[in-house]
Amino acid sequence: NAGVMQNPRHLVRRRGQEARLRCSPMKGHSHVYWYRQLPEEGLKFMVYLQKENIIDESGMPKERFSAEFPKEGPSILRIQQVVRGDSAAYFCASSPGQFPMSPLHFGNGTRLTVT
Amino acid sequence: DAKTTQPTSMDCAEGRAANLPCNHSTISGNEYVYWYRQIHSQGPQYIIHGLKNNETNEMASLIITEDRKSSTLILPHATLRDTAVYYCIVVLTGTASKLTFGTGTRLQVTL
Repeated sequence: NAGVMQNPRHLVRRRGQEARLRCSPMKGHSHVYWYRQLPEEGLKFMVYLQKENIIDESGMPKERFSAEFPKEGPSILRIQQVVRGDSAAYFCASSPGQFPMSPLHFGNGTRLTVT
Repeated sequence: DAKTTQPTSMDCAEGRAANLPCNHSTISGNEYVYWYRQIHSQGPQYIIHGLKNNETNEMASLIITEDRKSSTLILPHATLRDTAVYYCIVVLTGTASKLTFGTGTRLQVTL
C-alpha cells in the first residue's frame, strides 16, 4: 500500500513564475491537508480539502495561493507569481475518514526554492 | 484545542526506553492525544493516538493519566534512527479538525 505521494520532491522557480505541487493521497483516502514548513520553523496548516470541496482554508495566504482536489486525479497546490518568501517545504497529508478519529499520514514533501 | 507543554530536548541511550512526557492540563473530554515525529527533512510520521485508554502499537506505547491531564510516549528500545522531533498534539473532534504543530521535544538517541 503506497503512502502519500508528492511530486516533485524538489522544485526551483524564478520569481514571478508559477509553482504547481501535486499530492496523491493514499488509496481510499478522501481527505487531504496541506502544510508549509519554512526554514527552521514548525509546520503550519494551510488548507483542508475533501473531494471537490475546500473545507477549511484558514491557513492559506489570501493572494496567489490556491488548492484543489478534483474528483479524479491528485490534489494540487498552486502558487502564482512566486516570491522568495515562498521558499519552503510543502507537505501533504491524507486520511481515510474524519480526523481525529482517523490519523493523518504525511508525504515526504516538495521543497520549493525561489531564485 | 488544548495547549500542550513538552520539554525542549531529551537524551536517551540506545537500547533503553525513551519516555517522552506531555502536559495537557486543559484537555476536554472529546479531545484526542496524538503523537507524531519528524526526522530531519522528512514528512511527519504518525506514531500513535488515544482518547482515554492507554494504547500500544508496533512503534510505541501511549500512557494517559486517569485525569487525562498528561501523557507519556514510550519507545521501548530506542535506536539511533529514533532521533527526531516528537510532537504531542491535542485535537478536538469536529468536522474541520486539523493538526496544529508546536515546537515538540528534540530526542537525541546516543550510543
